[in-house]
Amino acid sequence: SYVLTQPPSVSVAPGKTASITCGGNNIGTKSVHWYQQKPGQAPVVVIYYDRDRPSGIPERFSGSTSGNTATLTISRVEAGDEADYYCQVWESSSDEVVFGPGTKVTVL
Amino acid sequence: QVQLVQSGAEVKKPGSSVKVSCKASGGIFSSTAISWVRQAPGQGLEWMGWIIPMLGSPKFAQKFQGRVNIIADDSTSTVYMELNSLRSEDTAVFYCARGAPGDPQRFWGQGTLVTVSP
Repeated sequence: SYVLTQPPSVSVAPGKTASITCGGNNIGTKSVHWYQQKPGQAPVVVIYYDRDRPSGIPERFSGSTSGNTATLTISRVEAGDEADYYCQVWESSSDEVVFGPGTKVTVL
Repeated sequence: QVQLVQSGAEVKKPGSSVKVSCKASGGIFSSTAISWVRQAPGQGLEWMGWIIPMLGSPKFAQKFQGRVNIIADDSTSTVYMELNSLRSEDTAVFYCARGAPGDPQRFWGQGTLVTVSP
């Protein structure tokens, strides 16, 4: 089955940039979606189809993919961005949805 | 606006089964996939399976194959997830989410806590 990898944690100072990676074999050929989850809440889509941003999500959130890595970038980080972030793809060969293990973003 | 409302918290004994419901409103129920996602305490998101109500045949993650079933009731726009042979490791919040498998899961239910305890 398809496996995604993410760093367990990323720490960033307010106003700086956080980059969260999501590794997977040839992930650049798949559509990657990113979710933000705050404690006690359901996940929320922050980036879909690699780089598109839903309405209501700040422009500070952006996404990219290349080769075996997808990246979620949060610019000008704010305290309210502290959350768990998950990448997700659809593995078409097995028709399964796959989530990465998640990255906890801590704002210092 | 699409809304997913799940049934309430459950406490179950090991070896028993649990059935969680997810009632959808807004949008077109029958043609959009609904997935189930498990999240154990302090752990990540784990996809369990999905169903497109109009097709009826669910797809399950290999890990849950044989222990989970997902059914859809068109008449009430409700999808059910039943998990059998419960064990303590199944203690988790279960979410339903709406979106085709290749698409983002844009809409989520509020989550249902299932506690498995002797």
